[in-house]
Amino acid sequence: EIVLTQSPGTLSLSPGEAATLSCRASQSVTNSYLAWYQQKPGQAPRLLIYGASSRATGIPDRFSGSGSGTDFTLTINRLEPEDFAVYYCQQHGSSPITFGQGTRLEIK
Amino acid sequence: EVQLVESGGGLVQPGGSLRLSCAASGFTFTNYWMNWVRQAPGKGLEWVANITPDGSENYYVDSVKGRFTISRDNAKNSLHLQMNSLRAEDTAVYYCHFTSRRPYWGRGTLVTVSP
Repeated sequence: EIVLTQSPGTLSLSPGEAATLSCRASQSVTNSYLAWYQQKPGQAPRLLIYGASSRATGIPDRFSGSGSGTDFTLTINRLEPEDFAVYYCQQHGSSPITFGQGTRLEIK
Repeated sequence: EVQLVESGGGLVQPGGSLRLSCAASGFTFTNYWMNWVRQAPGKGLEWVANITPDGSENYYVDSVKGRFTISRDNAKNSLHLQMNSLRAEDTAVYYCHFTSRRPYWGRGTLVTVSP
């Protein structure tokens, strides 16, 4: 199975700054089937990005995804207070689907 | 609009059983592999099981093999997870999930295994 490693584990930033989150795969992700999620306590994961770089419906353009093969990045520009949460990556190009361990984005 | 609605969660004692269901609508159910994914309290997301579109093959994470059974009823557009011999470490929110070009999720159902 494909192992996804997210870094950093925790990211401390201030509102207005930019965040860069990394997701590295142990093997190439087929068709760039790589998704990013935001999750807040008590809520289901919220899809942000799919296909490595396509924003899901209703997601602000402050969120952008990039990458291919084994290296993927989620960038969040001009952090808003509501952006502080846990972020996960997921690959669904190979079975079984797998998830990264998460990056916690906290207010500095 | 794609909808996945889970049901069947609840409180169960260790060693007990529970059957989760997922009602699917808004897409051609018979075209897709379906998955169950879970999230234990304070932990990350974990794939649990999946099943082929025709239901002929299924796969499980090692920790549930021999205890959980995934199944589907394509006539009723429904997915199920029979969970037997439940353990405290199975406590989690269980999500119904599938992917096409993009992923789709239900809202989840909480399973609590406790005396």
